[in-house]
Amino acid sequence: AQRVTQPEKLLSVFKGAPVELKCNYSYSGSPELFWYVQYSRQRLQLLLRHISRESIKGFTADLNKGETSFHLKKPFAQEEDSAMYYCALGTGANNLFFGTGTRLTVIP
Amino acid sequence: DTGVSQNPRHKITKRGQNVTFRCDPISEHNRLYWYRQTLGQGPEFLTYFQNEAQLEKSRLLSDRFSAERPKGSFSTLEIQRTEQGDSAMYLCASMVIGGITEAFFGQGTRLTVV
Repeated sequence: AQRVTQPEKLLSVFKGAPVELKCNYSYSGSPELFWYVQYSRQRLQLLLRHISRESIKGFTADLNKGETSFHLKKPFAQEEDSAMYYCALGTGANNLFFGTGTRLTVIP
Repeated sequence: DTGVSQNPRHKITKRGQNVTFRCDPISEHNRLYWYRQTLGQGPEFLTYFQNEAQLEKSRLLSDRFSAERPKGSFSTLEIQRTEQGDSAMYLCASMVIGGITEAFFGQGTRLTVV
């Protein structure tokens, strides 16, 4: 069965410090991985997807199939990055499963 | 069309009552998903539709829950004989067909069962 694990419920970093939000997945097929973000009082929205291999708002994520990980990274955190971040797994059945989320707080 | 719309935004109901939520997806999106989110948890998959066909249901979806998408446009999620454990945020998302693309979420319906 598919599973998405985000080991950290809470993560605090100082402004300007690097940030890494961890995500591990379990899936027997070929995965599609995503990061979704929810800013305060806003709806859940897509941040980035592994297939696009792009940097969004300074964030990047690399799919590591050997380690079954898709960690989200940013070299210099900004206060506006404070939000709830969810890692999500897309399956061959066109379903989308989410992890439990990590609340990132960037301290000024 | 400004995005996925969910109604009502909030619902308070007494235990044992039935409730129904509505989701209006983005008009050209064929796929529609329902999720439930409780405090401290991520969105938990409930069910999804491709056009009017319900293609998958989670084991979380007990027989008190039913979802429909009669004309392949809006969808309803009904909970019968509500229980306190049903209290949660119910999220709807829509997606264009063709693999897993970007899911667009509604604001959710917050259900409180008292």
